[in-house]
Amino acid sequence: AQTVTQSQPEMSVQEAETVTLSCTYDTSESNYYLFWYKQPPSRQMILVIRQEAYKQQNATENRFSVNFQKAAKSFSLKISDSQLGDTAMYFCAFMGNNAGNMLTFGGGTRLMVKP
Amino acid sequence: GAVVSQHPSRVICKSGTSVKIECRSLDFQATTMFWYRQFPKQSLMLMATSNEGSKATYEQGVEKDKFLINHASLTLSTLTVTSAHPEDSSFYICSARETGGVHYTFGSGTRLTVV
Repeated sequence: AQTVTQSQPEMSVQEAETVTLSCTYDTSESNYYLFWYKQPPSRQMILVIRQEAYKQQNATENRFSVNFQKAAKSFSLKISDSQLGDTAMYFCAFMGNNAGNMLTFGGGTRLMVKP
Repeated sequence: GAVVSQHPSRVICKSGTSVKIECRSLDFQATTMFWYRQFPKQSLMLMATSNEGSKATYEQGVEKDKFLINHASLTLSTLTVTSAHPEDSSFYICSARETGGVHYTFGSGTRLTVV
């Protein structure tokens, strides 16, 4: 079974600065997808970024980028120029080709952006 | 973009009654939908995978007779909490994956309070 671990329960960052959220996972599959989701106080889950394991290039979406290290099974999220609206819970998630293509979530990191 | 509508957003019910939560994909067909439960400040816990036209697959520890799932069409899955107890109070979230796709869209969640 896959597991996803987020080792930072809470983090804070000053507005306009950069923060990196950590995520590691364990799987025996060679092809899979990794995701970062944001859950603001409204509790709506929002996709931040997605990475396909067979792609070596790290995914980027505006101020959000990932550092995908397949051999180390690491998938960190970097948020540049942090904004107050980035305050939220962030969940790392894994989807393999087995187990019905379900998402496996990490425990989450609560990020607070301070003015 | 893909939209999943989840209703109701909040519901209060009395112990012993049943509550139905609907999850509807508005602009795409979803062979598979997923139901999660989320406790405060915790991650999403998968309860069951809902498959159109067949029985749902429940995760270990989830009572299938208590949490009834019906996925009668490619755009609608329902979760019925039967004989609700106060310990069933929680936040329930559904998600849908477009048939053949890798993108998951989440509903806005339902806050269930059993009194």
